[in-house]
Amino acid sequence: DQQVKQNSPSLSVQEGRISILNCDYTNSMFDYFLWYKKYPAEGPTFLISISSIKDKNEDGRFTVFLNKSAKHLSLHIVPSQPGDSAVYFCAARNFNKFYFGSGTKLNVKP
Amino acid sequence: EAQVTQNPRYLITVTGKKLTVTCSQNMNHEYMSWYRQDPGLGLRQIYYSMNVEVTDKGDVPEGYKVSRKEKRNFPLILESPSPNQTSLYFCASSPRSTGTPSIFYGYTFGSGTRLTVV
Repeated sequence: DQQVKQNSPSLSVQEGRISILNCDYTNSMFDYFLWYKKYPAEGPTFLISISSIKDKNEDGRFTVFLNKSAKHLSLHIVPSQPGDSAVYFCAARNFNKFYFGSGTKLNVKP
Repeated sequence: EAQVTQNPRYLITVTGKKLTVTCSQNMNHEYMSWYRQDPGLGLRQIYYSMNVEVTDKGDVPEGYKVSRKEKRNFPLILESPSPNQTSLYFCASSPRSTGTPSIFYGYTFGSGTRLTVV
């Protein structure tokens, strides 16, 4: 049973608009949440993280929001660029174990 | 260049033939971990290591072994591979969490090893 779920396998967005990627989790013991970006034939690249004691973390064009009551995490990319086209994984940590979602493939159209 | 290096990148083997996938990092990271990626399932943690000689099971450890004799290396061993271990494997490392509350800096991943067991 997956503890971290990304229910949208794909998302298509126009360049310059906002991309919103969503993630839901079931385990209230998770203390850290992360987003990774993955291009084909490469390993995932760390993007941004958020501690469970915060509700927002921002880094340039990327913002992660955490809603603990809803057990929901989202990644906002503003503005979206064609180079952002990749698969995005959310992940959550419980002690030293990590749980990943199945990924959302983002396509940013020029 | 700071990196995690996995070898080989591609491997085709037969059922039951022992194999080792090597992983090495040059960042002096304490934490290392192995993941497998399968369609529709994302990445699943196989084993992790918090430091030399300290290893523990992840979510899907069955059929795998690891060792951490040196800080930089964390090989993944399949003693008797089976077709259900056909997958894309990633090694990853990260520095120790610091601060209060602890800050986790995220894993650095290798480029992956595509394993096919026939």
